[in-house]
Amino acid sequence: DAKTTQPTSMDCAEGRAANLPCNHSTISGNEYVYWYRQIHSQGPQYIIHGLKNNETNEMASLIITEDRKSSTLILPHATLRDTAVYYCIVRVSAGGTSYGKLTFGQGTILTVHP
Amino acid sequence: DTGVSQDPRHKITKRGQNVTFRCDPISEHNRLYWYRQTLGQGPEFLTYFQNEAQLEKSRLLSDRFSAERPKGSFSTLEIQRTEQGDSAMYLCASSLSGTNSPGQPQHFGDGTRLSIL
Repeated sequence: DAKTTQPTSMDCAEGRAANLPCNHSTISGNEYVYWYRQIHSQGPQYIIHGLKNNETNEMASLIITEDRKSSTLILPHATLRDTAVYYCIVRVSAGGTSYGKLTFGQGTILTVHP
Repeated sequence: DTGVSQDPRHKITKRGQNVTFRCDPISEHNRLYWYRQTLGQGPEFLTYFQNEAQLEKSRLLSDRFSAERPKGSFSTLEIQRTEQGDSAMYLCASSLSGTNSPGQPQHFGDGTRLSIL
């Protein structure tokens, strides 16, 4: 699976949009981009994923560049409860003989301030 | 709650004892994963099941570790002769996989935190 690069930490004011970048310059055509977050003492929480197109759900939006070498997770109106470690992971689709294990990096520590 | 359930949430034991953790995946999910997470690190893959078959094991999974998923539903992870270095959070995840559902995400439980005295 392709490696990802994320900033170590970011800050955001409550109520503002949080934009978390991720570089995955070696991504291949059949690899999806997944975002998870982890709040202290809890398991990772799935946020969103995408292959080529931008995606939006009730939690966030995922913007993938046209060349697919980078992406941005957008939390439109950050709250204090969004303070967490955010992981960007690139993974081959778990179909056929691919088992789809996730390889976590260090992630980005997002701190939302009042 | 229909998410992934893990039991117990916390386990404290003495070095050398055996411990067993249980994971109940989301009911229709055919894939089940175990990960381990130490303080300040991201989770690391341990092993994976497709239904009842264990199809991949990480080199992190020493011979003191064994995992089972006997009926393709719940899974157990046993650690024999525990060591200090086994202290970690053990996470279980499940997903639905098939040719008609590519890219389905894994959903995690809240883990079992193991402390070795």
